[in-house]
Amino acid sequence: DVKVTQSSRYLVKRTGEKVFLECVQDMDHENMFWYRQDPGLGLRLIYFSYDVKMKEKGDIPEGYSVSREKKERFSLILESASTNQTSMYLCASSLGRTGSVYEQYFGPGTRLTVT
Amino acid sequence: LAKTTQPISMDSYEGQEVNITCSHNNIATNDYITWYQQFPSQGPRFIIQGYKTKVTNEVASLFIPADRKSSTLSLPRVSLSDTAVYYCLVGPGYSSASKIIFGSGTRLSIRP
Repeated sequence: DVKVTQSSRYLVKRTGEKVFLECVQDMDHENMFWYRQDPGLGLRLIYFSYDVKMKEKGDIPEGYSVSREKKERFSLILESASTNQTSMYLCASSLGRTGSVYEQYFGPGTRLTVT
Repeated sequence: LAKTTQPISMDSYEGQEVNITCSHNNIATNDYITWYQQFPSQGPRFIIQGYKTKVTNEVASLFIPADRKSSTLSLPRVSLSDTAVYYCLVGPGYSSASKIIFGSGTRLSIRP
């Protein structure tokens, strides 16, 4: 079974702090994703990475950056956390190209609260 | 990417077959159709994916008509544990993965 793990289940940070959310997958997947999920807005893609050190912006990249130094690990960075970044953050991975990129495996999520 | 439209919510009873339809009028030739299930406080779970006609796995069936402008996820003999939100995604795969849109999904409620 594919396993995607996220570093924290719950996180509380203060406004202005730098926040790191870590995601690790154990299936040698090329693609990794970061989403946020908010009530009434569904899942929105923040960033996508298709290879080590490669990334593409998703729908809502503002206020976020990412890092992928190793194939199995994809980090989401909030440079200066703000209250409007309070959300559920979900990491996902998928195998490769064409249709399989949409067969994504998700982690359990990190519920981040910024106060 | 093709925009998708799904019902906001649906209700059914245990033991019934449930069909959730997704409209995607602007689907492109090389688009795939993918369905996910999400329980509260969990990440979405991949259910099924198809390109045309019918696909079946141990969990569900996916029906895609010839014009591919819609698709129907069929859940046979649902149980209370099928209560979840179901998302339909349409997209061409690798080159546009950064444009993936989940939408708001369909909230399915199963009653005893």
